[in-house]
Amino acid sequence: GDSVTQMEGPVTLSEEAFLTINCTYTATGYPSLFWYVQYPGEGLQLLLKATKADDKGSNKGFEATYRKETTSFHLEKGSVQVSDSAVYFCALTSRANQAGTALIFGKGTTLSVSS
Amino acid sequence: DTAVSQTPKYLVTQMGNDKSIKCEQNLGHDTMYWYKQDSKKFLKIMFSYNNKELIINETVPNRFSPKSPDKAHLNLHINSLELGDSAVYFCASSQGAVVYGYTFGSGTRLTVV
Repeated sequence: GDSVTQMEGPVTLSEEAFLTINCTYTATGYPSLFWYVQYPGEGLQLLLKATKADDKGSNKGFEATYRKETTSFHLEKGSVQVSDSAVYFCALTSRANQAGTALIFGKGTTLSVSS
Repeated sequence: DTAVSQTPKYLVTQMGNDKSIKCEQNLGHDTMYWYKQDSKKFLKIMFSYNNKELIINETVPNRFSPKSPDKAHLNLHINSLELGDSAVYFCASSQGAVVYGYTFGSGTRLTVV
């Protein structure tokens, strides 16, 4: 079945450092890919998405490119801030155009940024 | 106004009890979900409803029963609670295709003692 593998955390960085969180997937067909972020004590929020190969999703300085050849969707940010400290989840669905479809989530990567 | 609201936020209860978690969304979305997040932050779908119709019913114990009285509400009732039910339960909603993303509630932390 479909699955998502994320790098293990926690990831600890200093402010203004470069961030990469790796995400690879296994899926049938051409899935849509997502990054969600969970701040402490809150629900998940959609950070960015890409629906076809070579698409780049971007939001709030974060970027991820859908790479079909390597089945990857790595999250990057050029300069992290303390406020980026959160848990980041990579997710996919192979049936993005259907209502009620489940998202398959990775196990999450905790990012901690210090000043 | 909170888009997806869950109550209660925290729930501590004894083994064997029956409890309910309520979820309401004011976004006009037609689909609602329940996800379970375990102690390692792993999220797994439990149920989804589209226009009050059950779409997904994953392999969860039949002690868990969702109820959707209307499109804006999806409640989760749990019978005979067990220690292993301790987790954070998230309600979410979406409009139409899931490609547009989910809106999550802030979660209900259930602790069974």
